[in-house]
Amino acid sequence: DAGITQSPRHKVTETGTPVTLRCHQTENHRYMYWYRQDPGHGLRLIHYSYGVKDTDKGEVSDGYSVSRSKTEDFLLTLESATSSQTSVYFCAISESQLAGDTQYFGPGTRLTVL
Amino acid sequence: AQSVTQLGSHVSVSEGALVLLRCNYSSSVPPYLFWYVQYPNQGLQLLLKYTSAATLVKGINGFEAEFKKSETSFHLTKPSAHMSDAAEYFCAVTPLSNFGNEKLTFGTGTRLTIIP
Repeated sequence: DAGITQSPRHKVTETGTPVTLRCHQTENHRYMYWYRQDPGHGLRLIHYSYGVKDTDKGEVSDGYSVSRSKTEDFLLTLESATSSQTSVYFCAISESQLAGDTQYFGPGTRLTVL
Repeated sequence: AQSVTQLGSHVSVSEGALVLLRCNYSSSVPPYLFWYVQYPNQGLQLLLKYTSAATLVKGINGFEAEFKKSETSFHLTKPSAHMSDAAEYFCAVTPLSNFGNEKLTFGTGTRLTIIP
């Protein structure tokens, strides 16, 4: 298994509070991704990173920000959590940006916003 | 933009029976295609992928998928279902290009139940 950990694994928070999710990898892969998984939608890309301090938006980026100060860590922040952001969040990594390259997924973080 | 459609959000098969999970893609140019599996409370794991080499792709755990351009399909099969195959399966697609891994687009998933 690819060395990807996510923390926390579960979190319950209240509307309006900030939340930061962490993804840590030990594979030294350049590319990292944040997805959210919701019933009936599959996985949707929130943000991705193509290197330290290099990030870009995905399909559902509104309300989220990211940072990557080290190769191994990719942080996802909800500045002011809303109930619509209740979801399961997955981090993924890939060695390259080539379209056929495999993305490896972390175990996920289940976030509940009350 | 490319997309995939998974027919059937829930599929039930008896243990030992054929597993067939359907995936159709929409793209003017044949894309790269993937099948991922997600076991309960876990992340996604790659089963197999098609990257324009052989049209019949063999994956892990006895699964295989066949790319059919004429039908724009990439259905996943396994000859004999095991109880351990119970999981959710996702078909995914990226465009056929040198870049664009961030454009990996997932279907809505098919939950496979195995009946003892």
